Amino acid sequence: RKEVEQDPGPFNVPEGATVAFNCTYSNSASQSFFWYRQDCRKEPKLLMSVYSSGNEDGRFTAQLNRASQYISLLIRDSKLSDSATYLCVVNPMLNFNKFYFGSGTKLNVKP
Amino acid sequence: DAGVIQSPRHEVTEMGQEVTLRCKPISGHDYLFWYRQTMMRGLELLIYFNNNVPIDDSGMPEDRFSAKMPNASFSTLKIQPSEPRDSAVYFCASSFYQGPYEQYFGPGTRLTVT
Repeated sequence: RKEVEQDPGPFNVPEGATVAFNCTYSNSASQSFFWYRQDCRKEPKLLMSVYSSGNEDGRFTAQLNRASQYISLLIRDSKLSDSATYLCVVNPMLNFNKFYFGSGTKLNVKP
Repeated sequence: DAGVIQSPRHEVTEMGQEVTLRCKPISGHDYLFWYRQTMMRGLELLIYFNNNVPIDDSGMPEDRFSAKMPNASFSTLKIQPSEPRDSAVYFCASSFYQGPYEQYFGPGTRLTVT
């Protein structure tokens, strides 16, 4: 079983739409969670960390559900520039510096 | 500040040749990671170092792959001999132990083995 699983998409949405991605993780002891963004032919970059209480950064909201072992990313008022692949990342408690990356969810925002 | 630097950015080589990928982490970072990304397998961790010491190389596919970190500012990933199935994008990333544990990625090396 993979450590982190994501729906690969693609999610095709119009500008201004709200879109949500989920990601599930297998290690119930995991403590740190992140969303990374990867543009086509570029390196992954941190989008936001995911805190237990949930957190918001502008149009982006991240949530953690420990009981069901999933994290989510909500994007409101989608922009063309949001088109990218979004990688879910989990960091098991025992090793604070070893990340497990999901395979990514591709988002296409259309005009 | 300079980010993670990788070279070369693109490498095309023939099967059987030796390939060496290079990485310079962000100054002050004490963790360095080598990843491989393909369409089929996504982003895979190959090996990581802490203070220049290899900590976990369980992701290294086979003996043809080797990695070194002779000092805090330089690391290499070597493939010898290379095979077509090694074609991928190889990323180097670094992070700081004291947190917040964000890993900063270099631009990657796109390797094509023909």
